[in-house]
Amino acid sequence: DADVTQTPRNRITKTGKRIMLECSQTKGHDRMYWYRQDPGLGLRLIYYSFDVKDINKGEISDGYSVSRQAQAKFSLSLESAIPNQTALYFCATSDLGSGMEETQYFGPGTRLLVL
Amino acid sequence: DQQVKQNSPSLSVQEGRISILNCDYTNSMFDYFLWYKKYPAEGPTFLISISSIKDKNEDGRFTVFLNKSAKHLSLHIVPSQPGDSAVYFCAASAPWAGGTSYGKLTFGQGTILTVHP
Repeated sequence: DADVTQTPRNRITKTGKRIMLECSQTKGHDRMYWYRQDPGLGLRLIYYSFDVKDINKGEISDGYSVSRQAQAKFSLSLESAIPNQTALYFCATSDLGSGMEETQYFGPGTRLLVL
Repeated sequence: DQQVKQNSPSLSVQEGRISILNCDYTNSMFDYFLWYKKYPAEGPTFLISISSIKDKNEDGRFTVFLNKSAKHLSLHIVPSQPGDSAVYFCAASAPWAGGTSYGKLTFGQGTILTVHP
């Protein structure tokens, strides 16, 4: 079984709809991240969480919100989806305990299309 | 402001030859660098990393070189294999202000590597 899972893998929605992307991990890591990937722009950080009580905005958090329901679960919500949120979304985890030089591990991604 | 840049969108190499992927950065606070490989319909997978206290790190066919003065790193794949065909991202991180923990990665745009049989 995959260490980091994302649901759904693909989603088509309409402008103005609320949608939630979910991420679960079995790695036991404290830190979790949400990224989006757009063609030619690499991966950009949306939100990150270092533990259940710690949520922080990344570089492109406008239009998004997150919830850290448990150590293993981190959800990303689009309150009112718009077409320029069409992208590939990745969840990642890393281990706080390793301190220096952490490595992030990614889920398989969710492809979102907003019409 | 793109702090990590991969200026070559694509690279085509013959099987058995060397693949060299390049990455430049502008933030002098970056001191840990990673390469990720991404296949279609999959998430990025960690490939190799290097700390700023080193100038080279090797893992099998993969070697990463860091030139701090030029703010440049490169990934060498020798010999290249068709299964290496993927998108390669470089990423960089810096210590949190006043702290020792890392975590926030800044990614380059990616380079599509195609290895021809």
